[in-house]
Amino acid sequence: EVQLVESGGGLVKPGETLRLSCAASGFLFSSYTMSWVRQAPGKGLEWISSISTSSNYIFYADSVKGRFTISRDNAKNSLFLQMDSLTVEDTAVYYCAREQVRGLRYFDYWGQGILATVSS
Amino acid sequence: SYELTQAPSVSVSPGQTARITCSGNMLSKKYAYWYQQKPGQAPVLVIFEDTKRPSGIPERFSASSSGTMATLTISEAQLEDEGDYHCYSTDSSGNQRVFGGGTKLTVL
Repeated sequence: EVQLVESGGGLVKPGETLRLSCAASGFLFSSYTMSWVRQAPGKGLEWISSISTSSNYIFYADSVKGRFTISRDNAKNSLFLQMDSLTVEDTAVYYCAREQVRGLRYFDYWGQGILATVSS
Repeated sequence: SYELTQAPSVSVSPGQTARITCSGNMLSKKYAYWYQQKPGQAPVLVIFEDTKRPSGIPERFSASSSGTMATLTISEAQLEDEGDYHCYSTDSSGNQRVFGGGTKLTVL
């Protein structure tokens, strides 16, 4: 069974840093592009970053480019999101998601999400 | 940056047909996908590649795509179908993944 479990969320002040982790199991992690998607309170889903299997290709949404860094450790079946210079607009539930390629790249499995709150 | 547009809300009575639309100028060239999300839960894929239904998704969920608009149809909507529905696609490069703003479906 595919499982994605996020951790590392919490409450921080504007300008501070958070590092999210996603532990994957139940599939060959090193064979899949992985992504982070977030959802601000009462808002829609927002894709923020994706990383290819060998970390050769990394993409970011404009809203986080230059502040967030995605990475992965295939030996530990783990995905990470380093979030720097956080603002209140980054307050959201952050989901780790596995990408499938069929037609287009899309997300076939999601974690349950982890809340990151940025507030003074 | 590329955008997908959805109406904020749709309301139907139980047993009626609900239609949720998603517009984007790349949808004539790129597939649309649809996710259902219930409160406090992660999204679940209900439609992929414009019209296909994953295993386990009820037959009352169907979809189509024409020109720059994709449509999710829920026939004989049930109370359990209430939730948010998000369309998804990519930009022309395929590298920027994009969600619509989401449509809240109310069945009452």
